[in-house]
Amino acid sequence: GAVVSQHPSRVICKSGTSVKIECRSLDFQATTMFWYRQFPKQSLMLMATSNEGSKATYEQGVEKDKFLINHASLTLSTLTVTSAHPEDSSFYICSARGTRRQPQHFGDGTRLSIL
Amino acid sequence: AQTVTQSQPEMSVQEAETVTLSCTYDTSESNYYLFWYKQPPSRQMILVIRQEAYKQQNATENRFSVNFQKAAKSFSLKISDSQLGDTAMYFCAFMGPQGGSEKLVFGKGTKLTVNP
Repeated sequence: GAVVSQHPSRVICKSGTSVKIECRSLDFQATTMFWYRQFPKQSLMLMATSNEGSKATYEQGVEKDKFLINHASLTLSTLTVTSAHPEDSSFYICSARGTRRQPQHFGDGTRLSIL
Repeated sequence: AQTVTQSQPEMSVQEAETVTLSCTYDTSESNYYLFWYKQPPSRQMILVIRQEAYKQQNATENRFSVNFQKAAKSFSLKISDSQLGDTAMYFCAFMGPQGGSEKLVFGKGTKLTVNP
C-alpha cells in the first residue's frame, strides 16, 4: 500500500518552455503533498507544501510564480516549472501522506534537464 | 529550528555483516516523529523505519532496527545481515508534533556501500 506515482520520470526540453510534473497517490487519499528538489549528492530541499483545495505554502527563497503548484484533488498534485531555464535543471521529488500521523511516501522523482 | 545531523558521509560494510548509521537531532519538542529513508541509485525514496518519540520501545522492521535515545537525542539505524541491495543513501528525518510544522527535516545523508 501507500503508492505514489510521479510522472514523467525524465524530461528534456528547451529553455523557455513550461514543464508540468504530476504526483498521484494511487491507493490512499493524500491530504497533504510535498514537493522537493534534490541537487546531486545532496539531501532533499523542501520547495512547498500543498493541502488539497488550498494554496500551496512555499519555502523561503522559492519563487511562487516560477514553480506553480496545484493540489486539485485528494489524489493529484502538479508542479509546473514555468519558463524553465538551465538553472532549473534538477531532480524533483514529490511525496504524499494521508493523516498527520502517517509518514510521507515518495514518488520516483523527475529528472528535469533544460537545454 | 530543528536540525538533523548525520556525521558519517560514507560507510561501507561486508555482505552479511552488521552496520550502524548515526543520527542526532536537536529539538525542544517532547513529542515528535523520526524516520529513516533509503535512496538507492534509482533515486526513489523508500521509508525504512519510523519511530514515535513517546514510544520507548525501539522500532524494528525485519533486518532494520533503531536505537532511540531520547535524552541524548540520538536515533541510530542498525542494519543486520547486510545485503547488496542495501547499498544506498540513507537519510535520517525529523517531523514535529501534531499541530506544528508538517515538514520533514532531513539530515545530509550517509552513503552506504555493501561489499560482496
